[in-house]
Amino acid sequence: SYVLTQPPSVSVAPGKTARITCGGNNIGSKSVHWYQQKPGQAPVLVIYYDSDRPSGIPERFSGSNSGNTATLTISRVEAGDEADYYCQVWDSIFSVFGGGTKLTVL
Amino acid sequence: EVQLVESGGGLVQPGGSLRLSCAASGFTFSSYAMHWVRQAPGKGLEYVSAISSNGGSTYYANSVKGRFTISRDNSKNTLYLQMGSLRAEDMAVYYCARSPGQEYDYWGQGTLVTVSS
Repeated sequence: SYVLTQPPSVSVAPGKTARITCGGNNIGSKSVHWYQQKPGQAPVLVIYYDSDRPSGIPERFSGSNSGNTATLTISRVEAGDEADYYCQVWDSIFSVFGGGTKLTVL
Repeated sequence: EVQLVESGGGLVQPGGSLRLSCAASGFTFSSYAMHWVRQAPGKGLEYVSAISSNGGSTYYANSVKGRFTISRDNSKNTLYLQMGSLRAEDMAVYYCARSPGQEYDYWGQGTLVTVSS
């Protein structure tokens, strides 16, 4: 089965740039989607098809995908961005999630 | 406004059964594939099952195949998950989610399933 690997945690100071990676074998050939989940809440789609932003998601959120790594980039990080972030792809008939990354805003 | 509202969660003994429902509103339910995704306490997201827009195709994670059944009633705008032979490892918050393509663009608030004797 396909495995997506995310770092368990990333820390960043307010106003700086956070980069959250999602590793997978030749993930660049797949479409990657990213979700933000705050404590006690349902996930929210923040990036889809590698780099598209749903309406209502700030331009500070961007995504890229190449080779064996996809990256979610959050520019000018704010305290409200503190959350768990999950990447997701489809592998054959299965949806696969990464293990999640906890973003801490220092 | 798109809304997905799950119900049916609760406490069930190991080996027991439970049926979850997800009531959809604010969009043409019959036009979208729908999924169930779960999250065990303190853990990450896990795909459970999917159903095509007309209900003709269903898919299951290996961990639930043969024990869970996904279905939908497009006349009632409702998605279901019939869960059987429940195990401790099935304990989780179960979310229904809309899938216009490969992504999940709307999620319900989730319903908690507790498996314990």
